[in-house]
Amino acid sequence: DAKTTQPTSMDCAEGRAANLPCNHSTISGNEYVYWYRQIHSQGPQYIIHGLKNNETNEMASLIITEDRKSSTLILPHATLRDTAVYYCIVRVANSGYALNFGKGTSLLVTP
Amino acid sequence: DVKVTQSSRYLVKRTGEKVFLECVQDMDHENMFWYRQDPGLGLRLIYFSYDVKMKEKGDIPEGYSVSREKKERFSLILESASTNQTSMYLCASSTPGAGVSNQPQHFGDGTRLSIL
Repeated sequence: DAKTTQPTSMDCAEGRAANLPCNHSTISGNEYVYWYRQIHSQGPQYIIHGLKNNETNEMASLIITEDRKSSTLILPHATLRDTAVYYCIVRVANSGYALNFGKGTSLLVTP
Repeated sequence: DVKVTQSSRYLVKRTGEKVFLECVQDMDHENMFWYRQDPGLGLRLIYFSYDVKMKEKGDIPEGYSVSREKKERFSLILESASTNQTSMYLCASSTPGAGVSNQPQHFGDGTRLSIL
């Protein structure tokens, strides 16, 4: 699986958009980009994933650059409950089942 | 919404005890997983199962076994608990999808297990 680089921490004001970047410059053509988050004392929560095209669901949007070397997770209207550690993961299809969470980005949403 | 339920949020056991951790999912997923999460070590896969009665070792299976008698239930067993098995244990499930591993895994809330 390709290595990812995320900022250690970020702050965001409540109600504003939170834009969380992820660099994956060694991504290969068949690797998907996944985002999960983990709120303190809870299990990881799946947010969104994509291959090439931008994706949107009820939780977030995923913007993948044309060269696929980086992506941004967008929480359009952050709330205090979005305070969590956010993990960006890239995985090759059929590479096995284990998820490798790196250190992630600790997002603090402030009032 | 996918629901993965782990039987206990917190559990305290003694060294040498046989410990059972239970996980149930309600989405008819074929794949189920057991991980442990430790500070500084991230998530590590213990075992996974891709079908009833089928199991595969993950990265750290030593000291653990699993049971999958029904599709919705996946049990993790600590044969003889030791203090180094104190950890947060996470269960997950997924559907195989078109590509074997491109489908997301959905997690339970975890069991924080302390072995004294």
